[in-house]
Amino acid sequence: DARVTQTPRHKVTEMGQEVTMRCQPILGHNTVFWYRQTMMQGLELLAYFRNRAPLDDSGMPKDRFSAEMPDATLATLKIQPSEPRDSAVYFCASGSGQGVFNEQFFGPGTRLTVL
Amino acid sequence: AQSVSQHNHHVILSEAASLELGCNYSYGGTVNLFWYVQYPGQHLQLLLKYFSGDPLVKGIKGFEAEFIKSKFSFNLRKPSVQWSDTAEYFCAVSVFSGGGADGLTFGKGTHLIIQP
Repeated sequence: DARVTQTPRHKVTEMGQEVTMRCQPILGHNTVFWYRQTMMQGLELLAYFRNRAPLDDSGMPKDRFSAEMPDATLATLKIQPSEPRDSAVYFCASGSGQGVFNEQFFGPGTRLTVL
Repeated sequence: AQSVSQHNHHVILSEAASLELGCNYSYGGTVNLFWYVQYPGQHLQLLLKYFSGDPLVKGIKGFEAEFIKSKFSFNLRKPSVQWSDTAEYFCAVSVFSGGGADGLTFGKGTHLIIQP
């Protein structure tokens, strides 16, 4: 049963620290998405990649957030320095991105708390 | 840019009642439409999706949705809800921009509580 995996599942850190979240997409999927879920804003698209190339990161605060795909099996989202307002659940999703079909499969999320 | 509006933020129903959750989107081009469910403490699961063809789509757990293009709507329905349907429900849309499908734009969600 293919699944998107994310690590860590929970992260508590102090303001100013660097946070790195990792995602392993489903094997064979060439599109990877990062979303953030907060009570106030709901679910927001931060960035996404296709064939490891960044396509859109307009939803991501550029000054402190960065997203990369070092290889086809790993996507990372970094926050440096972290702030309390970054506290949220961060979801990774992957899909095949074929034509008009865009079914995305979500990982379990990383719950981030910045103190 | 596209947007998604879910009309009800909180819905409380009794078991066996019928359910309809409203969803409207704004975008003039080709869209894919989705309903996701998030059970307490869990990740998002796909309930159903619409890409093309029959506007009435059936999903898992007895859910269905109807795409009405003229109304830009994609309402979710279930004839008889169960206590286990208590969850957060999200409507989402993605657009096709030529090079492939984009990320999802979600509605704010509807918190559904089913009372035994």
